[in-house]
Amino acid sequence: QSALTQPRSVSGSPGQSVTISCTGTSSDVGGYNYVSWYQQHPGKAPKLMIYDVSKRPSGVPDRFSGSKSGNTASLTISGLQAEDEADYYCCSYAGSYKNVFGTGTKVTVL
Amino acid sequence: EVQLVESGGGLVQPGGSLRLSCAASGFTFSSYWMSWVRQAPGKGLEWVANIKQDGSEKYYVDSVKGRFTISRDNAKNSLYLQMNSLRAEDTAVYYCARVQTREDDDGIAVAPFDYWGQGTLVTVSS
Repeated sequence: QSALTQPRSVSGSPGQSVTISCTGTSSDVGGYNYVSWYQQHPGKAPKLMIYDVSKRPSGVPDRFSGSKSGNTASLTISGLQAEDEADYYCCSYAGSYKNVFGTGTKVTVL
Repeated sequence: EVQLVESGGGLVQPGGSLRLSCAASGFTFSSYWMSWVRQAPGKGLEWVANIKQDGSEKYYVDSVKGRFTISRDNAKNSLYLQMNSLRAEDTAVYYCARVQTREDDDGIAVAPFDYWGQGTLVTVSS
């Protein structure tokens, strides 16, 4: 049950694209197509942004997209906006009715 | 509108106990798995526990196994987390979350967490 590995921080200018990686193992990210991504602003609860690797819940802008290759999942934010500045966490189903989160990435809009 | 409201957090001494509650509304509580997720101050999210719709199955992260117990009362639309033998490292904001399930050839998968409460702070300190 080790945390998934994410970069500590990424940054980009408004309008640019940023990609956050999330690396796990064949027992979690690589073993299931149940990776989700959460956005968390300071002092707030997390918000679901992507689920099942690449699906967006209703109301989430299509600037947010997800993908997966092998044991690594990725979240891409295109057309970066000021309000996208937040912490982002990946999460994977890890089998046996358990889940594991990533270490978290701080996205800074320059 | 789905709402999850946690309560019961506070300051407790090491070795002590605390019971968290989560009041759910806006959806059929008895139809969903539910979870607790925590976040230590300045740290990342950590999954803590999952419970099946009828409470018959419960799963925990290794670090709390044997000390924490997740439970639910579907008649009261409420989720609970009984925390015993608390340690300093249990200090965190505890979130209640509704979790979806997926069924495929491998069985049922518990993911993602689609709604979250605002969290309740638990501080373990002498």
